[in-house]
Amino acid sequence: RKEVEQDPGPFNVPEGATVAFNCTYSNSASQSFFWYRQDCRKEPKLLMSVYSSGNEDGRFTAQLNRASQYISLLIRDSKLSDSATYLCVVNRWDSNYQLIWGAGTKLIIKP
Amino acid sequence: DGGITQSPKYLFRKEGQNVTLSCEQNLNHDAMYWYRQDPGQGLRLIYYSQIVNDFQKGDIAEGYSVSREKKESFPLTVTSAQKNPTAFYLCASSTAGANTGELFFGEGSRLTVL
Repeated sequence: RKEVEQDPGPFNVPEGATVAFNCTYSNSASQSFFWYRQDCRKEPKLLMSVYSSGNEDGRFTAQLNRASQYISLLIRDSKLSDSATYLCVVNRWDSNYQLIWGAGTKLIIKP
Repeated sequence: DGGITQSPKYLFRKEGQNVTLSCEQNLNHDAMYWYRQDPGQGLRLIYYSQIVNDFQKGDIAEGYSVSREKKESFPLTVTSAQKNPTAFYLCASSTAGANTGELFFGEGSRLTVL
């Protein structure tokens, strides 16, 4: 079992719709959580950090559920430019805070 | 503009040859990292360095080597001992350790071994 698991998708969503996907992590030593975005054949870029209280950045909302060991990303009013792969990332205090990466969820927004 | 530059972007090599991938940053970051990305898998850490003249093995260091002689530079050599070197290689840097979670990546180097 992978330490950080994501549904690979693809999620095919019409423009303007709301889409959500989850990421589960298995190690209780996981300390901090992040969502990165990666466009096709490009480098990953930080989208947002995920705080215990949840956080929102425009159309994007991230939530953390420590009890069930998952994080979520919600995208409202999706745009064509949101099409990308979304990578879930965690770091663990017991591994010198090195980042553990999920394989990503592919999102395709259709006009 | 500050950033990370990787070169070359695409590289083809014959089996058994060593290749060196360049990574230069002008962000004045102390920490630098090399990752490998394969289809259907998360990024895997090859080596990282938190300070000049010091580096540590990541999860998949076998068959790779690095150096950190300057703060700005962290080249990766893929040696002939690496059994499956064809992959997308990403170099990254950060202001401190990875506990900040924010890594800045170069555009990547796509290595194909024939």
